[in-house]
Amino acid sequence: DIVMTQSPDSLAVSLGERATINCKSSQSLLSNSKNYLAWFQQKAGQPPKMIIYWASTRKPGVPDRFSGSGSGTDFTLTISSLQAEDVAVYYCQQYYGTPLTFGGGTKVGIK
Amino acid sequence: EVQLVESGGGLVQPGGSLRLSCEASGFTFSSSWMNWVRQAPGKGLEWVANINYDGSEKKYVDSAKGRFTISRDNAKNLIYLQMNGLRVEDTALYYCAQGFGCDDWGQGTLVTVSS
Repeated sequence: DIVMTQSPDSLAVSLGERATINCKSSQSLLSNSKNYLAWFQQKAGQPPKMIIYWASTRKPGVPDRFSGSGSGTDFTLTISSLQAEDVAVYYCQQYYGTPLTFGGGTKVGIK
Repeated sequence: EVQLVESGGGLVQPGGSLRLSCEASGFTFSSSWMNWVRQAPGKGLEWVANINYDGSEKKYVDSAKGRFTISRDNAKNLIYLQMNGLRVEDTALYYCAQGFGCDDWGQGTLVTVSS
Protein backbone atom coordinates (compact mmCIF):
# COMPACT_ATOMS: atom_id res chain seq x y z
CA ASP A 1 0.00 0.00 0.00
CA ILE A 2 1.13 3.56 -0.69
CA VAL A 3 1.56 5.50 2.54
CA MET A 4 0.79 9.23 2.47
CA THR A 5 2.48 11.38 5.10
CA GLN A 6 1.35 14.96 5.66
CA SER A 7 3.04 17.72 7.61
CA PRO A 8 2.43 19.62 9.76
CA ASP A 9 -0.50 18.14 11.68
CA SER A 10 -1.81 21.65 12.25
CA LEU A 11 -0.89 25.24 11.57
CA ALA A 12 -2.22 28.66 12.42
CA VAL A 13 -1.71 31.49 9.98
CA SER A 14 -2.68 35.16 10.11
CA LEU A 15 -5.39 36.32 7.73
CA GLY A 16 -3.82 37.24 4.40
CA GLU A 17 -0.67 35.23 5.03
CA ARG A 18 0.55 32.12 3.25
CA ALA A 19 -0.21 28.58 4.43
CA THR A 20 1.83 25.64 3.16
CA ILE A 21 1.03 21.95 3.63
CA ASN A 22 3.35 19.14 2.62
CA CYS A 23 2.53 15.61 1.53
CA LYS A 24 4.96 12.79 0.87
CA SER A 25 4.11 9.44 -0.71
CA SER A 26 5.99 6.19 -0.08
CA GLN A 27 6.32 5.59 -3.83
CA SER A 28 6.18 7.71 -6.94
CA LEU A 29 2.72 8.81 -8.07
CA LEU A 30 3.99 9.82 -11.53
CA SER A 31 2.80 7.89 -14.56
CA ASN A 32 2.40 9.00 -18.18
CA SER A 33 3.47 12.53 -17.14
CA LYS A 34 0.64 12.79 -14.61
CA ASN A 35 0.84 12.75 -10.83
CA TYR A 36 -2.08 10.82 -9.34
CA LEU A 37 -2.43 13.14 -6.34
CA ALA A 38 -5.46 15.09 -5.13
CA TRP A 39 -6.09 17.56 -2.32
CA PHE A 40 -9.33 17.75 -0.34
CA GLN A 41 -10.74 20.42 1.96
CA GLN A 42 -13.06 19.38 4.79
CA LYS A 43 -14.83 22.08 6.76
CA ALA A 44 -16.42 21.30 10.10
CA GLY A 45 -19.56 19.18 9.74
CA GLN A 46 -19.20 18.86 5.98
CA PRO A 47 -18.02 16.12 3.62
CA PRO A 48 -14.62 16.48 1.99
CA LYS A 49 -14.44 18.53 -1.19
CA MET A 50 -11.82 17.89 -3.88
CA ILE A 51 -9.97 21.15 -4.62
CA ILE A 52 -6.93 19.98 -6.61
CA TYR A 53 -6.33 16.94 -8.85
CA TRP A 54 -3.39 15.77 -10.98
CA ALA A 55 -1.33 17.45 -8.21
CA SER A 56 -1.78 20.97 -9.60
CA THR A 57 -5.14 21.35 -11.43
CA ARG A 58 -7.77 23.32 -9.56
CA LYS A 59 -11.34 22.09 -9.66
CA PRO A 60 -13.76 24.58 -11.27
CA GLY A 61 -14.86 27.22 -8.80
CA VAL A 62 -11.88 26.82 -6.47
CA PRO A 63 -10.26 30.22 -5.78
CA ASP A 64 -6.86 30.77 -7.39
CA ARG A 65 -5.28 31.40 -3.98
CA PHE A 66 -5.16 27.59 -3.75
CA SER A 67 -2.32 25.99 -5.69
CA GLY A 68 -0.75 22.55 -5.80
CA SER A 69 2.77 21.66 -6.79
CA GLY A 70 5.25 18.82 -6.72
CA SER A 71 5.95 15.60 -8.56
CA GLY A 72 6.91 12.02 -7.88
CA THR A 73 6.78 11.63 -4.13
CA ASP A 74 6.76 15.20 -2.77
CA PHE A 75 3.81 17.53 -3.03
CA THR A 76 2.67 20.86 -1.59
CA LEU A 77 -0.65 22.65 -1.19
CA THR A 78 -0.30 26.41 -0.83
CA ILE A 79 -2.95 28.91 0.20
CA SER A 80 -1.39 32.17 -0.90
CA SER A 81 -3.51 34.52 1.21
CA LEU A 82 -5.49 32.79 3.93
CA GLN A 83 -9.14 33.80 4.25
CA ALA A 84 -11.47 33.05 7.16
CA GLU A 85 -13.46 30.64 5.00
CA ASP A 86 -10.34 28.52 4.41
CA VAL A 87 -10.37 27.22 8.00
CA ALA A 88 -10.60 23.46 7.48
CA VAL A 89 -8.75 20.18 7.55
CA TYR A 90 -6.85 19.44 4.35
CA TYR A 91 -6.05 15.93 3.11
CA CYS A 92 -3.85 14.68 0.32
CA GLN A 93 -4.85 11.47 -1.44
CA GLN A 94 -3.20 9.21 -3.97
CA TYR A 95 -5.27 7.57 -6.68
CA TYR A 96 -2.33 5.91 -8.40
CA GLY A 97 -3.66 2.55 -7.27
CA THR A 98 -5.85 0.72 -4.83
CA PRO A 99 -6.19 0.88 -1.98
CA LEU A 100 -6.64 4.62 -2.41
CA THR A 101 -4.92 6.20 0.56
CA PHE A 102 -5.15 9.55 2.32
CA GLY A 103 -2.72 11.54 4.37
CA GLY A 104 -3.52 12.05 8.03
CA GLY A 105 -4.81 15.58 7.51
CA THR A 106 -3.60 19.09 8.35
CA LYS A 107 -5.81 21.37 10.40
CA VAL A 108 -5.54 25.00 9.23
CA GLY A 109 -6.68 27.75 11.58
CA ILE A 110 -6.37 31.49 12.08
CA LYS A 111 -3.61 32.92 14.24
CA GLU B 1 -25.21 19.15 -10.35
CA VAL B 2 -23.83 15.96 -8.87
CA GLN B 3 -25.93 14.61 -6.01
CA LEU B 4 -25.10 11.59 -3.89
CA VAL B 5 -27.46 10.58 -1.10
CA GLU B 6 -26.45 7.82 1.30
CA SER B 7 -28.85 5.86 3.51
CA GLY B 8 -29.02 2.70 5.56
CA GLY B 9 -26.83 3.59 8.50
CA GLY B 10 -27.79 2.93 12.10
CA LEU B 11 -26.93 1.22 15.36
CA VAL B 12 -25.98 -2.44 15.14
CA GLN B 13 -24.44 -4.92 17.56
CA PRO B 14 -21.01 -6.40 16.95
CA GLY B 15 -21.29 -9.28 14.49
CA GLY B 16 -24.38 -7.79 12.88
CA SER B 17 -25.05 -6.65 9.33
CA LEU B 18 -26.11 -3.50 7.53
CA ARG B 19 -26.64 -2.58 3.90
CA LEU B 20 -25.81 0.97 2.89
CA SER B 21 -27.21 2.55 -0.28
CA CYS B 22 -26.16 5.57 -2.29
CA GLU B 23 -28.47 7.15 -4.86
CA ALA B 24 -26.69 9.15 -7.55
CA SER B 25 -27.85 11.86 -9.93
CA GLY B 26 -26.49 14.71 -12.03
CA PHE B 27 -23.84 12.74 -13.91
CA THR B 28 -23.50 9.69 -16.15
CA PHE B 29 -23.66 7.07 -13.42
CA SER B 30 -23.09 4.06 -15.68
CA SER B 31 -19.74 5.53 -16.80
CA SER B 32 -18.41 6.33 -13.33
CA TRP B 33 -16.28 4.49 -10.83
CA MET B 34 -17.89 4.68 -7.41
CA ASN B 35 -16.34 4.50 -3.94
CA TRP B 36 -17.19 4.10 -0.29
CA VAL B 37 -14.99 6.08 2.10
CA ARG B 38 -15.41 6.19 5.88
CA GLN B 39 -14.43 8.53 8.67
CA ALA B 40 -14.40 7.41 12.28
CA PRO B 41 -15.52 10.07 14.78
CA GLY B 42 -12.81 12.74 15.04
CA LYS B 43 -10.47 10.82 12.73
CA GLY B 44 -9.21 10.98 9.16
CA LEU B 45 -10.46 9.48 5.92
CA GLU B 46 -10.21 5.79 5.05
CA TRP B 47 -11.10 4.43 1.62
CA VAL B 48 -13.16 1.25 1.95
CA ALA B 49 -14.04 -0.05 -1.52
CA ASN B 50 -14.65 0.87 -5.13
CA ILE B 51 -16.43 -0.55 -8.13
CA ASN B 52 -15.98 0.09 -11.82
CA TYR B 53 -18.55 1.12 -14.41
CA ASP B 54 -20.28 -2.19 -14.91
CA GLY B 55 -19.46 -3.89 -11.63
CA SER B 56 -16.89 -6.25 -13.11
CA GLU B 57 -14.06 -4.85 -10.95
CA LYS B 58 -14.29 -4.44 -7.19
CA LYS B 59 -11.49 -3.56 -4.80
CA TYR B 60 -11.46 -3.41 -0.99
CA VAL B 61 -9.26 -2.23 1.85
CA ASP B 62 -7.78 -5.22 3.65
CA SER B 63 -9.95 -4.74 6.76
CA ALA B 64 -13.10 -5.04 4.61
CA LYS B 65 -12.13 -8.08 2.55
CA GLY B 66 -14.39 -11.04 3.21
CA ARG B 67 -16.84 -8.97 5.24
CA PHE B 68 -18.02 -6.14 2.96
CA THR B 69 -19.41 -6.36 -0.57
CA ILE B 70 -19.82 -3.41 -2.93
CA SER B 71 -22.32 -3.63 -5.76
CA ARG B 72 -24.23 -1.37 -8.14
CA ASP B 73 -27.48 -1.18 -10.08
CA ASN B 74 -26.98 1.01 -13.14
CA ALA B 75 -30.69 0.88 -13.99
CA LYS B 76 -31.49 2.57 -10.67
CA ASN B 77 -28.37 4.74 -10.27
CA LEU B 78 -27.60 3.04 -6.96
CA ILE B 79 -24.56 1.58 -5.29
CA TYR B 80 -24.60 -0.56 -2.19
CA LEU B 81 -22.27 -1.65 0.57
CA GLN B 82 -23.29 -4.88 2.28
CA MET B 83 -21.48 -5.04 5.59
CA ASN B 84 -21.41 -8.32 7.54
CA GLY B 85 -19.52 -9.29 10.66
CA LEU B 86 -19.45 -5.68 11.84
CA ARG B 87 -16.88 -4.71 14.48
CA VAL B 88 -16.73 -1.82 16.93
CA GLU B 89 -13.91 -0.37 14.83
CA ASP B 90 -16.25 -0.13 11.80
CA THR B 91 -18.08 2.72 13.58
CA ALA B 92 -17.84 5.68 11.22
CA LEU B 93 -19.58 8.08 8.88
CA TYR B 94 -19.72 6.29 5.53
CA TYR B 95 -19.50 8.44 2.43
CA CYS B 96 -20.29 7.56 -1.15
CA ALA B 97 -17.95 9.26 -3.67
CA GLN B 98 -18.01 9.30 -7.46
CA GLY B 99 -15.05 9.10 -9.81
CA PHE B 100 -11.92 7.00 -9.46
CA GLY B 101 -10.30 9.77 -7.42
CA CYS B 102 -13.40 10.54 -5.34
CA ASP B 103 -14.29 13.77 -7.15
CA ASP B 104 -17.68 14.34 -5.50
CA TRP B 105 -19.06 13.18 -2.15
CA GLY B 106 -22.40 12.70 -0.45
CA GLN B 107 -23.22 13.86 3.08
CA GLY B 108 -22.64 10.41 4.56
CA THR B 109 -24.59 7.92 6.68
CA LEU B 110 -23.56 7.07 10.23
CA VAL B 111 -22.85 3.48 11.22
CA THR B 112 -22.49 2.76 14.93
CA VAL B 113 -21.40 -0.69 16.06
CA SER B 114 -21.93 -1.12 19.76
CA SER B 115 -23.41 -3.54 22.26
